[in-house]
Amino acid sequence: DAKTTQPTSMDCAEGRAANLPCNHSTISGNEYVYWYRQIHSQGPQYIIHGLKNNETNEMASLIITEDRKSSTLILPHATLRDTAVYYCIVRLVSNFGNEKLTFGTGTRLTIIP
Amino acid sequence: NAGVTQTPKFQVLKTGQSMTLQCAQDMNHNSMYWYRQDPGMGLRLIYYSASEGTTDKGEVPNGYNVSRLNKREFSLRLESAAPSQTSVYFCASSAVRVNTEAFFGQGTRLTVV
Repeated sequence: DAKTTQPTSMDCAEGRAANLPCNHSTISGNEYVYWYRQIHSQGPQYIIHGLKNNETNEMASLIITEDRKSSTLILPHATLRDTAVYYCIVRLVSNFGNEKLTFGTGTRLTIIP
Repeated sequence: NAGVTQTPKFQVLKTGQSMTLQCAQDMNHNSMYWYRQDPGMGLRLIYYSASEGTTDKGEVPNGYNVSRLNKREFSLRLESAAPSQTSVYFCASSAVRVNTEAFFGQGTRLTVV
């Protein structure tokens, strides 16, 4: 599985866009980039995923560089409820359909009032 | 919708005791996972099951056994609990297709004294 590298922590002012970077320089062609977040000690929550095109949903936008070696999760108007640990994950699917979902250490995002 | 249900939510064990953590999902997912999360750390994969009848080791399988009882249920057993197994345990499930999200349970907080 490709490894990911994320900053340990970030702050963002409430109402501003939060941009969370992720490096996945060893990603292979059949691996997707997924983002999850974990609020307090709850179970992780899916945010968004993508392969090579930029993606947007009601929660966030995902920008993947053309070489796919890095990506950025964008929360367009951060609120206090977005304070959480954000995980960038590269997801492998083998020829047999087996798959692992491997978490790194994530970025602790704190939204400042 | 129940999603992924874990039982129990809290448990205290004495060193050497055994117990089974239960996980059930009602989304007809093929893949199921067990993770542990130690304080201030990310999630680490213990075991996963790509489909009914198959299980594979993750990053930290030592001291654990699993059973994929049927498509719905995936249990995690500690045969002889140790203080190092004090952690929060999360179960997750996902469909086998690559472009799907994983759903997590709310966790089991286990303390071994």
